[in-house]
Amino acid sequence: EAGVAQSPRYKIIEKRQSVAFWCNPISGHATLYWYQQILGQGPKLLIQFQNNGVVDDSQLPKDRFSAERLKGVDSTLKIQPAKLEDSAVYLCASSPIERSTGELFFGEGSRLTVL
Amino acid sequence: RKEVEQDPGPFNVPEGATVAFNCTYSNSASQSFFWYRQDCRKEPKLLMSVYSSGNEDGRFTAQLNRASQYISLLIRDSKLSDSATYLCVVAYNYGQNFVFGPGTRLSVLP
Repeated sequence: EAGVAQSPRYKIIEKRQSVAFWCNPISGHATLYWYQQILGQGPKLLIQFQNNGVVDDSQLPKDRFSAERLKGVDSTLKIQPAKLEDSAVYLCASSPIERSTGELFFGEGSRLTVL
Repeated sequence: RKEVEQDPGPFNVPEGATVAFNCTYSNSASQSFFWYRQDCRKEPKLLMSVYSSGNEDGRFTAQLNRASQYISLLIRDSKLSDSATYLCVVAYNYGQNFVFGPGTRLSVLP
């Protein structure tokens, strides 16, 4: 079974530029999460989708971050304009709607450096 | 107060040692509890779920105390390959919302 796919793996940009990350979850997984992980910290939820609807975006800095999940499958996360403090790994995770194990399946992440 | 707190670490232990990680959570509505493992520059992966009765998986034992809102992970006979960051995770809303702790880094030394 294919895992969660993310791209790009690495991105370096100047502050005030924009960047977009893409995620393709495991086939059939209804719930998709975007987490931000700053070096030395645990992952912090940015936004959670169930199918193509937003479940929780309370911690998404909406003045600069946006995300969408068209057709309830893959998703994009955009940052515009980027700030230095946005340097982090952006992790996408998915899970099936059934909560039998409580396991989140993560992609390898997209590492962003803002200069 | 942060929603999930863990020992700050890092823990540096010799091979064969027993090491314990502690975690506390503030949301009494939390329903499910997990330990995830994250290797350096890799994504987090589920290590084990934590049940009220306590559970064991080989050298790993997890305990939950709902009254104290406390979770623990014990690793016996540490191996070099156990070196990683251990993340305490609590879930609520019937397992749809996951909150991660900051993690505790473990280095097992030869």
